[in-house]
Amino acid sequence: GESVGLHLPTLSVQEGDNSIINCAYSNSASDYFIWYKQESGKGPQFIIDIRSNMDKRQGQRVTVLLNKTVKHLSLQIAATQPGDSAVYFCAENPDDYKLSFGAGTTVTVRA
Amino acid sequence: NAGVTQTPKFQVLKTGQSMTLQCAQDMNHNSMYWYRQDPGMGLRLIYYSASEGTTDKGEVPNGYNVSRLNKREFSLRLESAAPSQTSVYFCASSEATYGYTFGSGTRLTVV
Repeated sequence: GESVGLHLPTLSVQEGDNSIINCAYSNSASDYFIWYKQESGKGPQFIIDIRSNMDKRQGQRVTVLLNKTVKHLSLQIAATQPGDSAVYFCAENPDDYKLSFGAGTTVTVRA
Repeated sequence: NAGVTQTPKFQVLKTGQSMTLQCAQDMNHNSMYWYRQDPGMGLRLIYYSASEGTTDKGEVPNGYNVSRLNKREFSLRLESAAPSQTSVYFCASSEATYGYTFGSGTRLTVV
């Protein structure tokens, strides 16, 4: 079936560098996408979202890019900090009320 | 502002035992969800309630039942627990699909 997936299960980043986390989706009916951050032992936390009528959206130190042509979503984190170490999930809404999540990328920040 | 509260946080069951996971939200959200999270598989939707008085199956509903007790509360019941139901369970709430807020999770082990 159609699902959201992430290109890499792990990412190691030097503190201060920029991080890029990628996600591929296959459901062309999805019109809303979200990135979540999950720290160890906690529930996922909303980071940023984007609608399909946009190709870029910026938040505080984070930017989400959407390429509908190749069904690709990415999350960029500027000046990565130790507190950014977590699992990052992308999610899409294939239909109303439900979100479909990818398997996640574990980001580890090296001091 | 408590957000989404789940109880209990941890539980160990023997195969065949039953239990109910409780979830309550104080954000006046219409929609509530139950997900399970297993290593390497992201979050999978068990059941959801688009609004008070309605419930629907998600991706993995077998072995579970739910009750939307009122607008605030959405419970998940395991009638006869199986080892395959060992997982971390997350409750979430939202207005439609947008901006899910997750609880901190229930870690369930079935032995």
